[in-house]
Amino acid sequence: GENVEQHPSTLSVQEGDSAVIKCTYSDSASNYFPWYKQELGKRPQLIIDIRSNVGEKKDQRIAVTLNKTAKHFSLHITETQPEDSAVYFCAASKSGGGADGLTFGKGTHLIIQP
Amino acid sequence: DGGITQSPKYLFRKEGQNVTLSCEQNLNHDAMYWYRQDPGQGLRLIYYSQIVNDFQKGDIAEGYSVSREKKESFPLTVTSAQKNPTAFYLCASSPRDRSEQYFGPGTRLTVT
Repeated sequence: GENVEQHPSTLSVQEGDSAVIKCTYSDSASNYFPWYKQELGKRPQLIIDIRSNVGEKKDQRIAVTLNKTAKHFSLHITETQPEDSAVYFCAASKSGGGADGLTFGKGTHLIIQP
Repeated sequence: DGGITQSPKYLFRKEGQNVTLSCEQNLNHDAMYWYRQDPGQGLRLIYYSQIVNDFQKGDIAEGYSVSREKKESFPLTVTSAQKNPTAFYLCASSPRDRSEQYFGPGTRLTVT
């Protein structure tokens, strides 16, 4: 089955700097890659996603890049703010409309230092 | 995701007892999912259902059971066969022909 590895497990950056979280996946059939943000004790919230027919997607301060050949994708957060502090999860799926489950990475605890 | 509810928020049970976790959605989503989250871990898929009266095992289905008698409901039973049931359980749903999954608020189960 699919295996998703996520790095780093903890990332501390100064407020205003950029943060990058990286994930690799094993199954070349995976074609959907979402990123979730989870605050302590809360539900995961979908923040951005990308499909395999696209190399990059941006939404304000958040962007995701995908390299299908290398089977890795990354989350980029620019101009970080205190409210960006949370745990971020990457995931992969072969769904493409089949609504299969997601395989998650183990998460990155992002800490924004004031 | 406000249309997905899970109850209760906290649940305490004695070892050896079965317990059922509720998940309801009013989003008219076809697919529903159950995930388990342990401290410092990502979410792991337990079961999922794409249509009523049909469901598939995920990566860690042993010790769990589900039913999908109604489109809006997907209850999860944690049986006494589950060796380490204490965890945070999250339910999710997604629309037909779409990949995006939206999560409920979760149920924190503690078994002693």
